Amino acid sequence: KQEVTQIPAALSVPEGENLVLNCSFTDSAIYNLQWFRQDPGKGLTSLLLIQSSQREQTSGRLNASLDKSSGRSTLYIAASQPGDSATYLCAVKRNTGNQFYFGTGTSLTVIP
Amino acid sequence: NAGVMQNPRHLVRRRGQEARLRCSPMKGHSHVYWYRQLPEEGLKFMVYLQKENIIDESGMPKERFSAEFPKEGPSILRIQQVVRGDSAAYFCASSPYIGELSEQYFGPGTRLTVT
Repeated sequence: KQEVTQIPAALSVPEGENLVLNCSFTDSAIYNLQWFRQDPGKGLTSLLLIQSSQREQTSGRLNASLDKSSGRSTLYIAASQPGDSATYLCAVKRNTGNQFYFGTGTSLTVIP
Repeated sequence: NAGVMQNPRHLVRRRGQEARLRCSPMKGHSHVYWYRQLPEEGLKFMVYLQKENIIDESGMPKERFSAEFPKEGPSILRIQQVVRGDSAAYFCASSPYIGELSEQYFGPGTRLTVT
């Protein structure tokens, strides 16, 4: 069974700092890994999807990396802004079945 | 292209009543997934459907819960005889195909409160 863990559970940083969010998963037989953002009381917004054959993906100030063999992914956020405050979720899709396995998220607060 | 739509956004039911949650996938998407997010917990997969077929319902409770995705119209998640423990946010996602490149696009969720 796939288990996904995100560390830290909560993070508070001053505006402008670069930060790293961590995601680890137990089964390396994955199709892809997707990072989402969830604002309070809202749905999920897709940030980045990394295929199993890829090492990283970039979008603007966000960079996600994937090390499948060690079961790890990181989401790097450069020059953080108060608008980045949200919960960040990592989700892994195994290569058997079609469901995503979600971590419990990292709650990020960027202080102005 | 409208995103994934869910309604109602908020639903209040008394214990023992039925709850019906609707999900309209993005245009051109034929794969629908339902997830549940309990308070202070992560999202858990419930069921995966294609048009007129349930493909994987391994995350669905065996009793009181059912899902469908008819040929026409939205996907429906139905909870019979709701109990307080069913209070949660229910999210629907859709994708155009399955496989390595397939992203899932999420709706805004339905927040169910059982009183």
